[in-house]
Amino acid sequence: GAVVSQHPSRVICKSGTSVKIECRSLDFQATTMFWYRQFPKQSLMLMATSNEGSKATYEQGVEKDKFLINHASLTLSTLTVTSAHPEDSSFYICSATSWPSPYNEQFFGPGTRLTVL
Amino acid sequence: SQQGEEDPQALSIQEGENATMNCSYKTSINNLQWYRQNSGRGLVHLILIRSNEREKHSGRLRVTLDTSKKSSSLLITASRAADTASYFCATVRYTGGFKTIFGAGTRLFVKA
Repeated sequence: GAVVSQHPSRVICKSGTSVKIECRSLDFQATTMFWYRQFPKQSLMLMATSNEGSKATYEQGVEKDKFLINHASLTLSTLTVTSAHPEDSSFYICSATSWPSPYNEQFFGPGTRLTVL
Repeated sequence: SQQGEEDPQALSIQEGENATMNCSYKTSINNLQWYRQNSGRGLVHLILIRSNEREKHSGRLRVTLDTSKKSSSLLITASRAADTASYFCATVRYTGGFKTIFGAGTRLFVKA
C-alpha cells in the first residue's frame, strides 16, 4: 500500500509555544488529507479535512485559529498547534487519499505524540 | 456524538478461538471500513465493504454489513497472539466531500 509519513513522531514542548506537524504522502499524490486526534484508549476524532490548494474544513468544536492546517502541495499537509496548552497533549494522526472518492482507501501516517508541559 | 458504537469495548480470548466485534452507526453510508491499531501506532486498513455488499472475506477476516440495522461485524477466525490490538470500524459517507467517522473501538487481547 501507499506510504504516509509524519514528522516528528514525538514532540515535547512548553506551554504557549507552537508546534508544527508534517504529513507527507511518499509515493502518491494526496488530493485530500485528514487530521485526527486520539486521546489514550479512545477512538480517532476527525479534526479537519484538507484539500490541496484550498482552505481546510474543520469539524464542529475544532478551533481553526488554534489548529492551523496548510495543504500547499499534493504530498504535504501541515498541522500547527498554536499556543499549545497541556490539554492539547494528544496523539495526532493524519491520513491521505489520492482521490476524493468514498471508495478510496485512506492511508494513515504513524502518528505524532504531542506532550505539552 | 461523532462516533459510532462498537461492542464489546474489550475482548479477551485464547489463541485459536474466534473473535467477533460489532459496530453500529447512525447515518446512511457509502462504505464501512475496519482498521487495526497496535498500541501507540498508526492505523492499518483491514477491509472495506460497500453499502451494497453484505459480506466480505479477506484471509482470516470476515466482515458483514446490515444497512437496515446500521450495523457491521468483524470476525477474526483462528486468532493469534499477534492479533492483539485495537480494532475500529469507520463509516464513510459522501456529502459533497467524503467524511470518515470512527467507532469507539474494541480492544482485543489474544492470550497465547
